[in-house]
Amino acid sequence: IVLTQSPDTLSLSPGERATLSCRASQSVSNYLAWYQQKPGQAPRLLIYEATNRAAGTPARFSGSGSGTDFTLAISSLEPEDFAVYYCQHGSNWPFTFGQGTRLEIK
Amino acid sequence: QLQLQESGPGLVKPSETLSLTCIVSGGSISSSGYYWGWIRQPPGKGLEWIGNIYYGGRIDYNPSLKGRVTISVDTSKNQFSLKLTSVTAADTAVYYCARHWRSLDPWGQGTLVTVSS
Repeated sequence: IVLTQSPDTLSLSPGERATLSCRASQSVSNYLAWYQQKPGQAPRLLIYEATNRAAGTPARFSGSGSGTDFTLAISSLEPEDFAVYYCQHGSNWPFTFGQGTRLEIK
Repeated sequence: QLQLQESGPGLVKPSETLSLTCIVSGGSISSSGYYWGWIRQPPGKGLEWIGNIYYGGRIDYNPSLKGRVTISVDTSKNQFSLKLTSVTAADTAVYYCARHWRSLDPWGQGTLVTVSS
């Protein structure tokens, strides 16, 4: 299963809303996770099973979708949110990641 | 809380075997329902899932690496290991271990392995 994220880069300002997309080449049901990665750090789980916030994930992050189309939304960007975001499916092996979306400060 | 820590050589010669261990603390590797995985990230690139192991014995390998990779678990030491044979420069990456049940959490901090003579 191939996951395609869009856009590759998103340039926004603090306080704006961000919408990141992840499309699967076939249905992954709701087994879709989102991760945030900052430079020099391991990825951190934000959202699991498409819509569930992981422990410690701020409420401004929300996930939606099922089947093949998924969205990660950040309602009002904070300075610490500028990072790379990856989606990952856990439907059937091999699990794969999207290529990532870089969220940068405009 | 559960923590994972990768350990192993940071430099491996081409054609040799890369060996890493992930030490699990703050919880048992025999916890029912969880798998333990290896993921890698070449410098400046995206994430690739290498494989998983369940303490009861089930193992999954990424087909792209099958034949070169072996994952094992030592429940007595609460750790699991990765071996990758016949390495080339393309295997240079940060290698992460993580716990998972369809999603990965938590992750180890990662360890950079460079393949070079």
